[in-house]
Amino acid sequence: GENVEQHPSTLSVQEGDSAVIKCTYSDSASNYFPWYKQELGKRPQLIIDIRSNVGEKKDQRIAVTLNKTAKHFSLHITETQPEDSAVYFCAAVPRDSSYKLIFGSGTRLLVRP
Amino acid sequence: NAGVTQTPKFQVLKTGQSMTLQCAQDMNHEYMSWYRQDPGMGLRLIHYSVGAGITDQGEVPNGYNVSRSTTEDFPLRLLSAAPSQTSVYFCASSYFGSEKLFFGSGTQLSVL
Repeated sequence: GENVEQHPSTLSVQEGDSAVIKCTYSDSASNYFPWYKQELGKRPQLIIDIRSNVGEKKDQRIAVTLNKTAKHFSLHITETQPEDSAVYFCAAVPRDSSYKLIFGSGTRLLVRP
Repeated sequence: NAGVTQTPKFQVLKTGQSMTLQCAQDMNHEYMSWYRQDPGMGLRLIHYSVGAGITDQGEVPNGYNVSRSTTEDFPLRLLSAAPSQTSVYFCASSYFGSEKLFFGSGTQLSVL
């Protein structure tokens, strides 16, 4: 089955700097890759996603890139702000199981003011 | 709309006790699922359902049972709680054709 690895487990950046979180997946048939943000004590919420037929997607200060050949995808946050501090999870969805999101282990991002 | 509602928010059990975590959604979503969240291990899929009367196992199903008698409800049962089941449990749902999950607020369970 699908396996998703996520790095780093913790990331500390200065406000205004960029942050990059990377994930690798094992199932080459996976075709959907979302990112979820979980603020302290809150529920995870979808912030951006990408499908396997697209190489990059942007939404204001966040972007996701996908390299299908290498089977990895990354979340990029530019001009970080304190409210970006949270745990971020990547996930992959196998092509034959549209609803079985397999999550990475999470990255705790701290943005220092 | 309330979205996805989970009860209780907190629960403490003794080893061997049984209980049911409740999950209900009012968005008419076909797909519902249960995840557990443990430090350093992310969100792991326990069971899921693609519609009333249909359930299937996820990554870590042992020790848990589910049923789906209605579109709205998807309870998670622990028949004999073990300390290894201490975790935060999230219920999530989505509508057919979309992989976007809507999560409930979670249940923090401690098994002593």
